[in-house]
Amino acid sequence: EAGVAQSPRYKIIEKRQSVAFWCNPISGHATLYWYQQILGQGPKLLIQFQNNGVVDDSQLPKDRFSAERLKGVDSTLKIQPAKLEDSAVYLCASSLEIRDKFSQSYGYTFGSGTRLTVV
Amino acid sequence: TQLLEQSPQFLSIQEGENLTVYCNSSSVFSSLQWYRQEPGEGPVLLVTVVTGGEVKKLKRLTFQFGDARKDSSLHITAAQTGDTGLYLCAHRPPLGGSYIPTFGRGTSLIVHP
Repeated sequence: EAGVAQSPRYKIIEKRQSVAFWCNPISGHATLYWYQQILGQGPKLLIQFQNNGVVDDSQLPKDRFSAERLKGVDSTLKIQPAKLEDSAVYLCASSLEIRDKFSQSYGYTFGSGTRLTVV
Repeated sequence: TQLLEQSPQFLSIQEGENLTVYCNSSSVFSSLQWYRQEPGEGPVLLVTVVTGGEVKKLKRLTFQFGDARKDSSLHITAAQTGDTGLYLCAHRPPLGGSYIPTFGRGTSLIVHP
């Protein structure tokens, strides 16, 4: 089974520039997540999609961040304009979202992430 | 939002030593997951614990869920350099509640040869 694919792996931009990240989840996974992981911290959820609809984007800084999953498969996350504090690893994850609390199958599969450095 | 506290934040040990890391909350978990994240990679799911008092073993790793389902521990026996990484706990709230998965800050483990 192919994993979650993300690109690019690394990106260095100047503040106030724009950047976009791409994610291709595991085939058949309806739910897709974007996380931000700042150095020394755990991943923080930015946005969750179920198919092509947004389930939760309460922690997404909407003045500069946007995300879409138009066909319910691939997703892009954009930052415009970037700030220094946006330097982080951006992780994409997908899951089957089996709605059984005794199931062990709702773990997420993560991609390797995109390391963004804003200078 | 249910906060997860992980301790210690950093751990540096020699190969062959044993160690335990902890994940705690003031609220009850419906279930909890442990992940390991190696440098430059995304977190990888190790285990999910669901029942209070549950103990699961994965080779040299032993995971325990507290009886009251408010805490969990991960014990590694005879650590190896390959165990180096960031150990994260994460929880999902009960079905029907807010559907935001939450991670702790993690325990950064370095195992020296």
